[in-house]
Amino acid sequence: SQTIHQWPATLVQPVGSPLSLECTVEGTSNPNLYWYRQAAGRGLQLLFYSVGIGQISSEVPQNLSASRPQDRQFILSSKKLLLSDSGFYLCAWSVRLDYNEQFFGPGTRLTVL
Amino acid sequence: GENVEQHPSTLSVQEGDSAVIKCTYSDSASNYFPWYKQELGKRPQLIIDIRSNVGEKKDQRIAVTLNKTAKHFSLHITETQPEDSAVYFCAASAYQGAQKLVFGQGTRLTINP
Repeated sequence: SQTIHQWPATLVQPVGSPLSLECTVEGTSNPNLYWYRQAAGRGLQLLFYSVGIGQISSEVPQNLSASRPQDRQFILSSKKLLLSDSGFYLCAWSVRLDYNEQFFGPGTRLTVL
Repeated sequence: GENVEQHPSTLSVQEGDSAVIKCTYSDSASNYFPWYKQELGKRPQLIIDIRSNVGEKKDQRIAVTLNKTAKHFSLHITETQPEDSAVYFCAASAYQGAQKLVFGQGTRLTINP
């Protein structure tokens, strides 16, 4: 069966510090991968998605970047965090077909102070 | 781009009664409409989804209806139980090589015993 991992689970970082969040998927090949952010009490906002190694599409202009160095690894990064980067970051995967469920990882709760 | 509006933001019902949550979308190209349930601090989990070529889908106590002409879809939960208490999100997407979900703002459902 497929599983999706994210780490760390929680993170407290000062403003201006760098960020690296990692997501890995097991039990599937060639998945589509997604990064979402959820602000407190709000819906999910798609940040990035990837349909293959090295292929990254950005949905909103921001202080963050994403990379996919391996088929089942997706990384979210920042060089300098802002207060507004605080939130719950969720990685998700789906098969590369239409009408298919996205499966979410357990998430990383990021607090920028 | 797609815009999804969800109502109400909070909903409180007596155990055993029915609950209805409504969403509207703007992009007529959207063809996939999932509903996710998110418990406090947890990842969203799919509870039901519907494709644009179907008007209604049911799974035990949960049903979703879709009106493509009016661009709205609804979640119906019957015989509500305390474990139905959670935040529910609707989403819409048009497949473009990836399932780029646009989420509503969420509905906090509380089931009163």
